[in-house]
Amino acid sequence: AQKITQTQPGMFVQEKEAVTLDCTYDTSDQSYGLFWYKQPSSGEMIFLIYQGSYDEQNATEGRYSLNFQKARKSANLVISASQLGDSAMYFCAPTSGSARQLTFGSGTQLTVLP
Amino acid sequence: KAGVTQTPRYLIKTRGQQVTLSCSPISGHRSVSWYQQTPGQGLQFLFEYFSETQRNKGNFPGRFSGRQFSNSRSEMNVSTLELGDSALYLCASSLVPSNTEAFFGQGTRLTVV
Repeated sequence: AQKITQTQPGMFVQEKEAVTLDCTYDTSDQSYGLFWYKQPSSGEMIFLIYQGSYDEQNATEGRYSLNFQKARKSANLVISASQLGDSAMYFCAPTSGSARQLTFGSGTQLTVLP
Repeated sequence: KAGVTQTPRYLIKTRGQQVTLSCSPISGHRSVSWYQQTPGQGLQFLFEYFSETQRNKGNFPGRFSGRQFSNSRSEMNVSTLELGDSALYLCASSLVPSNTEAFFGQGTRLTVV
């Protein structure tokens, strides 16, 4: 099974500052997708951003952007201008296999400080 | 447009019982996937359905089963519940499998006592 590594179990950031959440994976697939989700304490998984492995440009979605380095198998999430509501658990989830099911990392708990 | 709806939100069951959880995907979405989330194991894939057919299944015992109806709504069933089945069960919907967007419901929190 694919291994996903999110090396930062917990992170703190000051409100209005940018923060980078790390994610590496070890897929052997040539074509795959990379999802990031946010899970607040309520439990719902909120879709943030998607990157296709053959997309030439790094994905951006509002304050979220991906620093995608395919050769390094790395897809770090950058959140600009952090807000208090960004405090949550963040999961990186590459797809696996021909069925392209999502495989989740262990997550990073982000806390935004006022 | 309504999001993914999971019912019930909370459930308490006794060991040995069986339980059925429901997931209504976003209108027009035909693919539904189920995940189990526990503090110890994290998020683990259970199974995926598309057009009423199971496309993929994770590494869970046969006590875990599911189905999808013609309106794309999906149910998962767990029989002979064990304490270790206590978890947050999440379902995700997408237009088709392998889509670039997959949206989750709020989950059903199952407690087995």
